[in-house]
Amino acid sequence: GNSVTQMEGPVTLSEEAFLTINCTYTATGYPSLFWYVQYPGEGLQLLLKATKADDKGSNKGFEATYRKETTSFHLEKGSVQVSDSAVYFCALTLNQAGTALIFGKGTTLSVSS
Amino acid sequence: DTAVSQTPKYLVTQMGNDKSIKCEQNLGHDTMYWYKQDSKKFLKIMFSYNNKELIINETVPNRFSPKSPDKAHLNLHINSLELGDSAVYFCASSRSVGDTEAFFGQGTRLTVV
Repeated sequence: GNSVTQMEGPVTLSEEAFLTINCTYTATGYPSLFWYVQYPGEGLQLLLKATKADDKGSNKGFEATYRKETTSFHLEKGSVQVSDSAVYFCALTLNQAGTALIFGKGTTLSVSS
Repeated sequence: DTAVSQTPKYLVTQMGNDKSIKCEQNLGHDTMYWYKQDSKKFLKIMFSYNNKELIINETVPNRFSPKSPDKAHLNLHINSLELGDSAVYFCASSRSVGDTEAFFGQGTRLTVV
């Protein structure tokens, strides 16, 4: 079946540290891949996306590259800030009628100053 | 202007009651969704409507009934509430069926006591 696996959290970092959150997927067909972020007490916001292999999504200093050969979409940021503390969800969609976003279990990031 | 809005934001109710959560989007999107986020932050699709037509109906108890009076609204009615229904319910919309990006509401935290 179709699924998303992301690294277990919580991830605890100091400000300005390098961040990697691993995400791998299993999908039939050619999915689009996403990272969503959920700040405390808020809904989900799209952070970045990639719709085909080798595409790189980027936003707010975060990046992720769609790697078809390793079925991965790892999230990275070179220097995290306290304000990046949130839950990060990797997700895919199959771009077909009758489908919806399939989410990973979420990774909680906590950044301290 | 809020793109996807849900009411209420918090809902505390007793077991056995019937309650509704309302969702409206002003993005002109054709497709709307309900997701459930459990206590471990896991998100799962429940229902999806496209132009008032049900297109996704995942395995949820039939105590849950979505209703879409028009394509801008998707309400969720829950009968005979149980303790296990406690969760955060998110409404979302996308431009069309299978579209790559979904916009989420702020969520409704339902607590059944």
